[in-house]
Amino acid sequence: AQSVTQLGSHVSVSEGALVLLRCNYSSSVPPYLFWYVQYPNQGLQLLLKYTTGATLVKGINGFEAEFKKSETSFHLTKPSAHMSDAAEYFCAVSGNNFNKFYFGSGTKLNVKP
Amino acid sequence: EAQVTQNPRYLITVTGKKLTVTCSQNMNHEYMSWYRQDPGLGLRQIYYSMNVEVTDKGDVPEGYKVSRKEKRNFPLILESPSPNQTSLYFCASLGHANTEAFFGQGTRLTVV
Repeated sequence: AQSVTQLGSHVSVSEGALVLLRCNYSSSVPPYLFWYVQYPNQGLQLLLKYTTGATLVKGINGFEAEFKKSETSFHLTKPSAHMSDAAEYFCAVSGNNFNKFYFGSGTKLNVKP
Repeated sequence: EAQVTQNPRYLITVTGKKLTVTCSQNMNHEYMSWYRQDPGLGLRQIYYSMNVEVTDKGDVPEGYKVSRKEKRNFPLILESPSPNQTSLYFCASLGHANTEAFFGQGTRLTVV
């Protein structure tokens, strides 16, 4: 079975500061891992995904995430936050049972001027 | 443009009045799914469909029905809505060898 834990339902950073959103997963099979972003009143947009290969994955808008199997983690980072990054971020996992994505409970990112 | 389209975007209804939320995708994806999003709970899967006429329950199927008569459409049916079904609903279809989910814009449903 798969599950996802996102630490911190709310994260606040200053503009220009490092963004770190944490995601840990449990999976009985090699996972596919995803980060989605949701802007207010909008659907979910894929930021990045890890399927196979390089464990450091780069996504849109300057975000990246690193798959660490030993830590069962897939934390999302961005070196310098912009005001436009304020949104809710969801980590998700799917295994070889592609019927289902398991989502974390989400982290709302607030960016202070 | 590849997209998943849900309608309506917003809906207020009364308890017990049957409603349908439509979902259509133009990517010829076989797999489609419905989720509900509630604060602090993330997205939870309601139903999914692996192909035409093939549907199955997700984690929270009670009170919902679906149908998949054609590949592009996957409507969500609430036969007798109740206030605990007030939520934000998302339809998704799966592409790229089932490694990426494309989401609709969401339907905010309020049942009074």
